[in-house]
Amino acid sequence: SQKIEQNSEALNIQEGKTATLTCNYTNYSPAYLQWYRQDPGRGPVFLLLIRENEKEKRKERLKVTFDTTLKQSLFHITASQPADSATYLCALDIGGANNLFFGTGTRLTVIP
Amino acid sequence: DADVTQTPRNRITKTGKRIMLECSQTKGHDRMYWYRQDPGLGLRLIYYSFDVKDINKGEISDGYSVSRQAQAKFSLSLESAIPNQTALYFCATSGYQGIQETQYFGPGTRLLVL
Repeated sequence: SQKIEQNSEALNIQEGKTATLTCNYTNYSPAYLQWYRQDPGRGPVFLLLIRENEKEKRKERLKVTFDTTLKQSLFHITASQPADSATYLCALDIGGANNLFFGTGTRLTVIP
Repeated sequence: DADVTQTPRNRITKTGKRIMLECSQTKGHDRMYWYRQDPGLGLRLIYYSFDVKDINKGEISDGYSVSRQAQAKFSLSLESAIPNQTALYFCATSGYQGIQETQYFGPGTRLLVL
């Protein structure tokens, strides 16, 4: 069966450190993978997209890697800040039509 | 979130009642989606629509129906609500941000079925 796993439900990290979140999938060959941020009581907000033929993508303090051999994406937030505290979701587009399958999310808490 | 609005934001209903959740968007996107979010299960796709005449079932469409009244409006109905439909429901649209097609979510509707 299709499965998308994010490494842990919750991750606590000290301010200033790099947070690394993991997204693993099985039985998929995604055209691309997206990362979203979700704050309590709000809808997810798009952060980054990486295509199957890309190894790495960056945006400001964010970096995403995509290893289609390992079937894994890593999401990094460098110099983390308390304002980065949120739930982060990975999502896979299987057919390239932007129909997304979401992971269950990792709740990140950045401790001042 | 202001480009995608959902009504109501909160709803309590009883088992067996028919209810409708509404979604409107001002982004001019053709593609619209309905998801539900449950603790531990993540976001799951209920229905999606690529344009007014194109409606498709998602992963968990049983017990739900949709109507695409216009490009800007996409409604989700629960024909006969049951308690396990208690969840957070999100509407989303899909469009290009630069060269990337991404989804834009509404603020959600929290539904409780008693």
